[in-house]
This record gives sequence, structure tokens and C-alpha cells, in this order.
Amino acid sequence: GAVVSQHPSRVICKSGTSVKIECRSLDFQATTMFWYRQFPKKSLMLMATSNEGSKATYEQGVEKDKFLINHASLTLSTLTVTSAHPEDSSFYICSVSGQHSNQPQHFGDGTRLSIL
Amino acid sequence: GNSVTQMEGPVTLSEEAFLTINCTYTATGYPSLFWYVQYPGEGLQLLLKATKADDKGSNKGFEATYRKETTSFHLEKGSVQVSDSAVYFCALSDNNQGGKLIFGQGTELSVKP
Repeated sequence: GAVVSQHPSRVICKSGTSVKIECRSLDFQATTMFWYRQFPKKSLMLMATSNEGSKATYEQGVEKDKFLINHASLTLSTLTVTSAHPEDSSFYICSVSGQHSNQPQHFGDGTRLSIL
Repeated sequence: GNSVTQMEGPVTLSEEAFLTINCTYTATGYPSLFWYVQYPGEGLQLLLKATKADDKGSNKGFEATYRKETTSFHLEKGSVQVSDSAVYFCALSDNNQGGKLIFGQGTELSVKP
């Protein structure tokens, strides 16, 4: 069964709207989650590492104030795209670090964000 | 820094053909290596993995061997099916399997009946 639940699967909204995407770990408590962005026909770009109870670690070039990450519990991390614009349209994917260090990440099904 | 390079796609094959998708990496230390598959409109699914040199990962007829001497992790399948059509990503994690992943650019595979 699914290990990671990502919601919503698709969002279409107007420019200037803030959009929240949820990533839930269903099977175990996850201290670390990751957020990726994928452009059409391109690879996944790591945006940030979300750590439960502390600030997220952002990759170089990713705007912290634009992409707000909250990891308030061991099963939920949220990504909020603030004041979204058309250039923020993309496929956003979260992943959950394995329950043990020798286990790989589990990915959500992704969120297709379209800003009009 | 660490990086992953995959052969460019798209790759188009006929059903039952042999598949190879090349992947090479650059990393310090001893990374874990992965192949992920992404079907249209979906997230990523782990296809196979290898955690040390000479390990062979295998799943659903796909195989890849961790070659430290050539820093490669090529994906192979002896006989592809139409249902294998997807985008395949090679990736590495430089500390542990659950750590930050660095992806290759992805290779699109299209299998024709």
C-alpha cells in the first residue's frame, strides 16, 4: 500500500494566490521529508529538506520566502507556494526518508500546479 | 560535487527488444545507487537499488550492477514490454539510502508493439 500521501494531486489557480501542498507519511513517523520540483521533460530538482521540529534546509537558489515549508509533526510536511505566478507552475513531488537509514526514500504521487 | 549523468532519450524500442540505459556518476566516498521509474502523471517508484560495489539490483526483469571501477550503474532488461514505457531516473545518495538524492536527467523509454 501507499507509504506517502500527497495532496492535492492537481491545482489550478489565479496568479497571486498562495497554494498549500501536503505530504503525509502513512506508515511511520518521518523526521525527514524532501520537496522536489520537476519541470516538463526534466529531472527532479531538490528544493529543500524538511526536518520535523526545525527549520527546513533549502537548496541554493530556492527562495525561502516564496516556498514556505512547515514540518510540524512526524507525519506531515507542507509546502506553501506564496503569491504564486505562472513561472511557479510545475510538478511538485515530496518524499519521505526511509524509516531506517538503510532504507530508500518513498515518493508521493506529486502535485501538478498550474498558475493562470 | 556529486552528479549523475544518464544517456539522453527518448529511447524507442520494439516489444521484446533488449534495453540498456547508461548511467555514470561522480561522487566522493561510497554512494548508494538507485533507479526510479516515473509513469505519466505519477510520482516516482523505486525500481531497484545497490548499496556497495559489485552489488546487483534487480526487479521486474530489470537489472543494474554497481561498478565502482567505471563509476557506472547501467540499467538493463532482456525483453521490454509496452508497459515498460516510462521515464527512468538514475540517482545516488551519498550518505545513506534515506538521504538526499541527486538525480540524473531522466531517460524516456517508449516501447512499441
